Amino acid sequence: GAVVSQHPSWVICKSGTSVKIECRSLDFQATTMFWYRQFPKQSLMLMATSNEGSKATYEQGVEKDKFLINHASLTLSTLTVTSAHPEDSSFYICSARDWTSHNEQFFGPGTRLTVL
Amino acid sequence: GENVEQHPSTLSVQEGDSAVIKCTYSDSASNYFPWYKQELGKRPQLIIDIRSNVGEKKDQRIAVTLNKTAKHFSLHITETQPEDSAVYFCAALNQAGTALIFGKGTTLSVSS
Repeated sequence: GAVVSQHPSWVICKSGTSVKIECRSLDFQATTMFWYRQFPKQSLMLMATSNEGSKATYEQGVEKDKFLINHASLTLSTLTVTSAHPEDSSFYICSARDWTSHNEQFFGPGTRLTVL
Repeated sequence: GENVEQHPSTLSVQEGDSAVIKCTYSDSASNYFPWYKQELGKRPQLIIDIRSNVGEKKDQRIAVTLNKTAKHFSLHITETQPEDSAVYFCAALNQAGTALIFGKGTTLSVSS
């Protein structure tokens, strides 16, 4: 199957700083990528849909000015958590859709963010 | 938007028994229903999926059934093994037909 990578795999930062997470599709082009957040022992919650060359579509309740998404190329989407606070600590997972695989989504390995 | 309900939240079985996890969805237009297995700290792994044009799909010990009229689908694992222990998520496409909306997950424990 298609491969999606994420970087970094984990990050610890101080409250008030910003953190950027990268999501790459390694062997296919992804016009659409998705960002999910997963708190411990909970499900994956869709944060936003990232569209190459256009603005991201955010889910209700997700602050677009706090979670900046950029999808500048067909293989890279970035999520920047601005002015991070401890409550932003979570597991952030991206996924990408390979249109040749009939809707199947491939997930990145996730990024564990801890805000002190 | 799409809403996916999943039951049970936890399931404990003996090795060799069968396990069944059920999900319901709200959007009758949804046409793709994958199941994922997630181990602690790892990414979700697709284990089986079904599209709305079929009612059942099987892959070795794993099967999924879909009832479009009732808007529910189920995961069946037969001859369970300890390595099947994990969290299982069902999902359905959202109304736009793009992103996956996940159920809350089922923690499956298989004891030997």
